[in-house]
Amino acid sequence: DGGITQSPKYLFRKEGQNVTLSCEQNLNHDAMYWYRQDPGQGLRLIYYSQIVNDFQKGDIAEGYSVSREKKESFPLTVTSAQKNPTAFYLCASSTGSGVSPLHFGNGTRLTVT
Amino acid sequence: AQTVTQSQPEMSVQEAETVTLSCTYDTSESDYYLFWYKQPPSRQMILVIRQEAYKQQNATENRFSVNFQKAAKSFSLKISDSQLGDAAMYFCAYRRSGMDKLIFGTGTRLQVFP
Repeated sequence: DGGITQSPKYLFRKEGQNVTLSCEQNLNHDAMYWYRQDPGQGLRLIYYSQIVNDFQKGDIAEGYSVSREKKESFPLTVTSAQKNPTAFYLCASSTGSGVSPLHFGNGTRLTVT
Repeated sequence: AQTVTQSQPEMSVQEAETVTLSCTYDTSESDYYLFWYKQPPSRQMILVIRQEAYKQQNATENRFSVNFQKAAKSFSLKISDSQLGDAAMYFCAYRRSGMDKLIFGTGTRLQVFP
């Protein structure tokens, strides 16, 4: 079955360490996205990519980095520069713009202590 | 910048009754798309319904329907014959035509009582 896989489901890190969240899709979608979800704040866009080897900053890109070397993969690195990294992270993909919806992975809960 | 506002942090409904969740958005664009997503306790985001702004007819998906008022920039979700499985967070989202990204509201938590 086609879908989006995020791993791991739960991730624990010490403050000051970089950590990479995995996102893989087999839907053959061109566009991929990373959102952060905090209580009471909805989903906020971190980065998105419309095509391989290209990506754009979203609304809260500071302290994060991404790469898009393959169409299927869009990993997110949470760097030590991110001041408040503990959150729930959602990866999504879509065929592009218009009425085509975003398809989401199951998310990764990152806890930094 | 476009924004999406969900003014009801929490709502509740009795099983089998009808409930309406509110969503307003701010945009100067005339061509755009609107979505409602459901996030149950599993935290999986599920598309509920979508609407193209150029279509005057309100979208319907089984028990879910929208009231799209373009002039008022309002996009409310009506859930009929509510079921216990409808209990979830509901997010309204906006996408401008020609753009990939979706802008989400802060969500409404819906509780369904037996």
